[in-house]
Amino acid sequence: GENVEQHPSTLSVQEGDSAVIKCTYSDSASNYFPWYKQELGKRPQLIIDIRSNVGEKKDQRIAVTLNKTAKHFSLHITETQPEDSAVYFCAASSEAGSYQLTFGKGTKLSVIP
Amino acid sequence: EAQVTQNPRYLITVTGKKLTVTCSQNMNHEYMSWYRQDPGLGLRQIYYSMNVEVTDKGDVPEGYKVSRKEKRNFPLILESPSPNQTSLYFCASSFSAQGRNEAFFGQGTRLTVV
Repeated sequence: GENVEQHPSTLSVQEGDSAVIKCTYSDSASNYFPWYKQELGKRPQLIIDIRSNVGEKKDQRIAVTLNKTAKHFSLHITETQPEDSAVYFCAASSEAGSYQLTFGKGTKLSVIP
Repeated sequence: EAQVTQNPRYLITVTGKKLTVTCSQNMNHEYMSWYRQDPGLGLRQIYYSMNVEVTDKGDVPEGYKVSRKEKRNFPLILESPSPNQTSLYFCASSFSAQGRNEAFFGQGTRLTVV
C-alpha cells in the first residue's frame, strides 16, 4: 500500500518568513495530493490540493509543488502570519482505485510574532 | 449546510463495554471513512466504504467494526473497547469521482477507555 513520509515534524518560523513542508510517497499510481490544516481542537480542513497532471498550484500565500519523477510534493507558505500556526497534513491517493487517502504524520507549524 | 456530523463529541467508557460512534453526512457522498488520530502518528485509517454495503479495512482495523446500510450513515462500532483504543476519532466523507474527492471531516470524537 501507499506510504507517505512528511518532514519536518515541527517547524518554527518568524512572522513574515516562509515555511516549507515536504512529503514523499511510495505508490506511483497515486495522482491526488491534498494538504490539510488542523487548528488546535478542530477538524482537519483542506487548504490546497494538486493532481498529477500539474506541477504547481498557488492560492494566495499558499503553493504546492509536485515532482512525480521523484515522488515528492511540498507545501510553501509565504509571508507567514500567527493564524498559520497549526498542524499540517499531506496525503496521497489514487483516483483510479479506492480513493483511500494515506496521510503523513503531520507538521506542527508555529509562527512566532 | 453541508456537513459531516459525529456523535458523541466526548466519551469516557470502561473496558469491554460495547459502544457506537455515529457519523452522518448530508452531501450525498459515496465514500466514507474513519480515522484515528494519535500524537506523533498522524491520521490512520480504520475502515472505509466506497458505497452502500461496501466496506473495507484500512490500516488499523483490529478491534473495530463498521456498517454502511444507508448512504448517509457510517457508524463505528467497538465491540469490546480496550485502553489502547483511547484516541481522537474522525469520520470523513467525499465523492468518489475524479476531480471531486475533497474529504470533509466531522468534528471528531474524543474517546477514553479506562
